[in-house]
Amino acid sequence: DSGVTQTPKHLITATGQRVTLRCSPRSGDLSVYWYQQSLDQGLQFLIHYYNGEERAKGNILERFSAQQFPDLHSELNLSSLELGDSALYFCASSPGSNRAGNTIYFGEGSWLTVV
Amino acid sequence: DQQVKQNSPSLSVQEGRISILNCDYTNSMFDYFLWYKKYPAEGPTFLISISSIKDKNEDGRFTVFLNKSAKHLSLHIVPSQPGDSAVYFCAAQPGLNNAGNMLTFGGGTRLMVKP
Repeated sequence: DSGVTQTPKHLITATGQRVTLRCSPRSGDLSVYWYQQSLDQGLQFLIHYYNGEERAKGNILERFSAQQFPDLHSELNLSSLELGDSALYFCASSPGSNRAGNTIYFGEGSWLTVV
Repeated sequence: DQQVKQNSPSLSVQEGRISILNCDYTNSMFDYFLWYKKYPAEGPTFLISISSIKDKNEDGRFTVFLNKSAKHLSLHIVPSQPGDSAVYFCAAQPGLNNAGNMLTFGGGTRLMVKP
């Protein structure tokens, strides 16, 4: 158990709909990261939040947005869903200092299926 | 532009033998390297890491070697066990920066250890 909690674990929704994925980081971690893994694809970085502020953006679509709340949990919002958005969405957390060397721990993932 | 590459998509070894997984990177700003193990439909699990100031780090059956001049690292598993069968991801982290500890992942290598 990494200490990173993601909900829901599985989600099936129709095209055009909107979903919200939730993540609770490890206790004490200030940084939250979102990654996407599509079928047979590697892990693609989406976005990083540190202590409530957006720090870095990766290959995140404009239809997707995220936020980190004062209690440090984070939500990833996916809207106008398309079939190609079907993927495993991982949340990860780390203490979040600016120095390299902090291990990032991943949650179990949220499996999104768009039909 | 893949900054972290794992050129072997799969590797098959016999139980008890050595498994060697390779990873190459192009960005000289990377300062910290990690290996993750991943089972299907689960989150990546941290295995071992190495700082760029070292050339070797060992943890039980797992050893990571870093050749900074060649921008190459490898993960050795000795002896390999059937339970090691999984996808292994190499990841790299930039040094001191304002973007936090964001990881850039390689595409993964599927290791199969045969009994």
